[in-house]
Amino acid sequence: GAVVSQHPSWVICKSGTSVKIECRSLDFQATTMFWYRQFPKQSLMLMATSNEGSKATYEQGVEKDKFLINHASLTLSTLTVTSAHPEDSSFYICSARPSIGGLGTDTQYFGPGTRLTVL
Amino acid sequence: DAKTTQPPSMDCAEGRAANLPCNHSTISGNEYVYWYRQIHSQGPQYIIHGLKNNETNEMASLIITEDRKSSTLILPHATLRDTAVYYCIVRDPNSGNTPLVFGKGTRLSVIA
Repeated sequence: GAVVSQHPSWVICKSGTSVKIECRSLDFQATTMFWYRQFPKQSLMLMATSNEGSKATYEQGVEKDKFLINHASLTLSTLTVTSAHPEDSSFYICSARPSIGGLGTDTQYFGPGTRLTVL
Repeated sequence: DAKTTQPPSMDCAEGRAANLPCNHSTISGNEYVYWYRQIHSQGPQYIIHGLKNNETNEMASLIITEDRKSSTLILPHATLRDTAVYYCIVRDPNSGNTPLVFGKGTRLSVIA
């Protein structure tokens, strides 16, 4: 149980285009999902907190108009990188916290990540 | 900011126990210690967590000192597949919808 999927697993796009990444909790409902970004040889950096049915909360320095987050259901959150540029190339990882249950102490489950390359 | 300190890297011979230390001297009474690992180009994987008692599961053991200022993750028989970055994170599960904050972790290399 507690599986989180991401789609696509990798994507290559041209500079100036938009890319949508999906994050799904497959066997549990998640009121809250998180989006992280990871550059090579660095740790995960939180980008935003996504709450079902409300606006996402962005970390300082993350442009909300560039990284659009939609959490329309309890099992799906999407991250859209708008007008992507080469510096947006990174490994994007989502995670979800079960609304009910989980391991009883607030565990987050992570997706496998999406590698974005902007040419 | 991460509230933990870990060595940047460690090596371990295959089949031997890997002991990964973590300092969390400012841990508060309500905070748990979580361990995750990240294999190259994958999402983080939950390993184990604990509050103050030692914990063991099918993946690892977690030893927390009595003063709770440090802990050790033990992989009893490391395999090549255990090569990964291991993250020690402290968090109060009752702190609402706040996320896990990752530090730099320890890069464990299991050597044949």
